[in-house]
Amino acid sequence: EVQLVESGGGLVQPGGSLRLSCVVSGLTVRSNDMSWVRQAPGKGLQWVAAIYSGGDTYYADSVRGRFTISRDISKNTLYLQMNSLRPEDTAVYYCARGLANLNYWGQGTLVTVSS
Amino acid sequence: QSALTQPPSASGSPGQSVTISCTGTSSDVGGYNYVSWFQQHPGKAPKLMIYEVTKRPSGVPDRFSGSKSGNTASLTVSGLQAEDEADYYCSSYVGSGHVVFGGGTKLTVL
Repeated sequence: EVQLVESGGGLVQPGGSLRLSCVVSGLTVRSNDMSWVRQAPGKGLQWVAAIYSGGDTYYADSVRGRFTISRDISKNTLYLQMNSLRPEDTAVYYCARGLANLNYWGQGTLVTVSS
Repeated sequence: QSALTQPPSASGSPGQSVTISCTGTSSDVGGYNYVSWFQQHPGKAPKLMIYEVTKRPSGVPDRFSGSKSGNTASLTVSGLQAEDEADYYCSSYVGSGHVVFGGGTKLTVL
């Protein structure tokens, strides 16, 4: 059974940093493309970042230069390092397997950026 | 990259069929056969219902079907059931490792 479990969300002040983790079981992050998708309260889904199985990384324009997606193959874990956070980054952040086809999702972790 | 355009709402009675559209451009929906549809119930994670325009993951009822014509993709739900009431989102691969979502459609079963 495939499971993705996010953690690391919380309340952070504008300009602050946070690192999200996504522990994966049932598949390997080394062999799969992986993505982060977010959803602001009451709003729609927004793709944030992706890391290909080969290691290439891609970012939405709104987070490029502030967020970094990475993975630890030994821990089978996906990360999202978020710096220079803004109030508009407030959202539930989901990790998901794939990019063109997002077929497994975690339950999400809430990030609130507020003073 | 602009979001794909979906109607904010759709509705139908139990047993009826409803179709939700997802309009993009030749740079996204029209340019790739990587359109997906997701179902999301309140407080839950999205669930993949259709991928690569027409394909259904294992376990998704065949009442759900997808199609595409030009720059517009569509999701059809046949034989509506109460549990189909949810938000539905389309997405499209747009090249260079990027994906774009639609704004979402709230489906109400009357």
